[in-house]
Amino acid sequence: AQTVTQSQPEMSVQEAETVTLSCTYDTSENNYYLFWYKQPPSRQMILVIRQEAYKQQNATENRFSVNFQKAAKSFSLKISDSQLGDTAMYFCAFVGGATNKLIFGTGTLLAVQP
Amino acid sequence: DTEVTQTPKHLVMGMTNKKSLKCEQHMGHRAMYWYKQKAKKPPELMFVYSYEKLSINESVPSRFSPECPNSSLLNLHLHALQPEDSALYLCASSRTSSLEKRYNEQFFGPGTRLTVL
Repeated sequence: AQTVTQSQPEMSVQEAETVTLSCTYDTSENNYYLFWYKQPPSRQMILVIRQEAYKQQNATENRFSVNFQKAAKSFSLKISDSQLGDTAMYFCAFVGGATNKLIFGTGTLLAVQP
Repeated sequence: DTEVTQTPKHLVMGMTNKKSLKCEQHMGHRAMYWYKQKAKKPPELMFVYSYEKLSINESVPSRFSPECPNSSLLNLHLHALQPEDSALYLCASSRTSSLEKRYNEQFFGPGTRLTVL
């Protein structure tokens, strides 16, 4: 069975600083995807960034980048130049095997302080 | 249009009421999902529809009854709910319900905040 672990329930960062959210996962699948979803207080869940397991290059989307360590089964999210609008719950998620069923981590509540 | 819409935004119901939640997408997706989310917890999958057929039921109590009338519309019928069923109910859709070689993102709606009195 696949599992996703986020060990940081809450984090805080100053505006304009950089923060890294941790995520580890466990799977025996070779073909899978990893995601970071953001859920602001207004509750709409949106996709921040995705990583295909077969790609060695780390994904980047503007201020968001990941550090994907396949052997270590680690998938951390780095947010550069943090903005107040980045305040949200961040969920790490995994999809693998035959179905498109998302396995979520427990989430990290990020607060960006002015 | 990459939007999933859900109505109503908020719903308050008594334990003897019957109500329905509605979800709609016009992205041509053939997989639709219902999730239940408690505060500060990750979403929990309830049901998956694939090509308008129920493909996954995560052992959800029968007081929740899903329906997929067509490929764009997903309903969740509620009857005789309990206070512990109060939660945010999220709908999502994706191209298919299978893991594909190409990216198959799930798009989420804004949710319905349900309160059972």
